[in-house]
Amino acid sequence: ETAVFQTPNYHVTQVGNEVSFNCKQTLGHDTMYWYKQDSKKLLKIMFSYNNKQLIVNETVPRRFSPQSSDKAHLNLRIKSVEPEDSAVYLCASSSWTGPNSDYTFGSGTRLLVI
Amino acid sequence: QQQVRQSPQSLTVWEGETAILNCSYEDSTFDYFPWYHQFPGESPALLIAIRPVSNKKEDGRFTIFFNKREKKFSLHIADSQPGDSATYFCAAHNNAGAKLTFGGGTRLTVRP
Repeated sequence: ETAVFQTPNYHVTQVGNEVSFNCKQTLGHDTMYWYKQDSKKLLKIMFSYNNKQLIVNETVPRRFSPQSSDKAHLNLRIKSVEPEDSAVYLCASSSWTGPNSDYTFGSGTRLLVI
Repeated sequence: QQQVRQSPQSLTVWEGETAILNCSYEDSTFDYFPWYHQFPGESPALLIAIRPVSNKKEDGRFTIFFNKREKKFSLHIADSQPGDSATYFCAAHNNAGAKLTFGGGTRLTVRP
């Protein structure tokens, strides 16, 4: 099956803890993204990587750090989570030179910070 | 800076009516304008998209109207069905930034 796979689906943690989310795509894409979707459904890009290189780094608190081992993987680490980090984190991938229509989202990781 | 604006935030129509969702943008370098729909508990999925070379794109009951001069585009859902009830997002793509910028979303409810 070719798709964007995210783990875990759901994570509950306490303020101040560190969390890591994983994302893997088997679509052969070379660009991957992390988006945050808040409780109001707003979708905001956080990072994008092309062939393991950071391309986009929006204004995101420094406790967020992406990690890419190869073009098929893009993980997200959050050091010392805050209550406002509660959201759904969506990973996506696309081809840098391919049709824009190949932009594909994973199923998301829902984070609840208590 | 909100580069893609979407309205209304919420829309309710009766089954069979045409739902109209609107978006506007600011950046002239945007070169691809998709619409996504998202059902509860699911991730956004591509519905239909258009490029600035066209002013209209149809796919079944879904039509995008695009006005490059005014930097506006809209999604028309004809003969709306209860199953169309979802949150709809417009977006704009900029090759230089390699990212999709999303509008704030429209929550559509179709009443039977």
